[in-house]
Amino acid sequence: AQTVTQSQPEMSVQEAETVTLSCTYDTSESDYYLFWYKQPPSRQMILVIRQEAYKQQNATENRFSVNFQKAAKSFSLKISDSQLGDAAMYFCAYRSQGAQKLVFGQGTRLTINP
Amino acid sequence: KAGVTQTPRYLIKTRGQQVTLSCSPISGHRSVSWYQQTPGQGLQFLFEYFSETQRNKGNFPGRFSGRQFSNSRSEMNVSTLELGDSALYLCASSLFSSGGSGETQYFGPGTRLLVL
Repeated sequence: AQTVTQSQPEMSVQEAETVTLSCTYDTSESDYYLFWYKQPPSRQMILVIRQEAYKQQNATENRFSVNFQKAAKSFSLKISDSQLGDAAMYFCAYRSQGAQKLVFGQGTRLTINP
Repeated sequence: KAGVTQTPRYLIKTRGQQVTLSCSPISGHRSVSWYQQTPGQGLQFLFEYFSETQRNKGNFPGRFSGRQFSNSRSEMNVSTLELGDSALYLCASSLFSSGGSGETQYFGPGTRLLVL
């Protein structure tokens, strides 16, 4: 079974600075997808960024980018120019090819200091 | 396009009762998945429905069940509620169920269930 580990329960960063959230996963599959979801206090899960395992290029979405290291099974999220609205729980998630089931990490609570 | 909607948003029940939660997917989406979120266990997959058929099921007891209607709306039911069933129940929808590269799951706001 696949597992996802987020080793940082909490992180904080000054507004406008850069922060990196860590995620590692365990799988024997070669084709899969990785996601970062954001859950603000409203509890609505919002997709931040996704990465297909077969793509070597790291995904980027505006201020959000990932560092995908397939061999190391690592998938970190970098948030540049942090904004107050980025404060939330961030979840790393894994999905197998051919299935909809998401396997989530335990989450990292990100605080933005003004 | 309207997002995923879940009703009710909040629910209080007592042990032994049963509860039904509803999820309406994004228009055109045919796959609906359910997740349970608790402080202790985190986010756990319950089941997925596509075209009125259960495609996948997580490791939950038989008290947890679901169904999907022809309009893709889904319900989940929990019978004989236990204190440990208190959780946020999240529903997510996607276009298909093949898990291909073009598919992304979009989540609803959740139903917060409190069992007393």
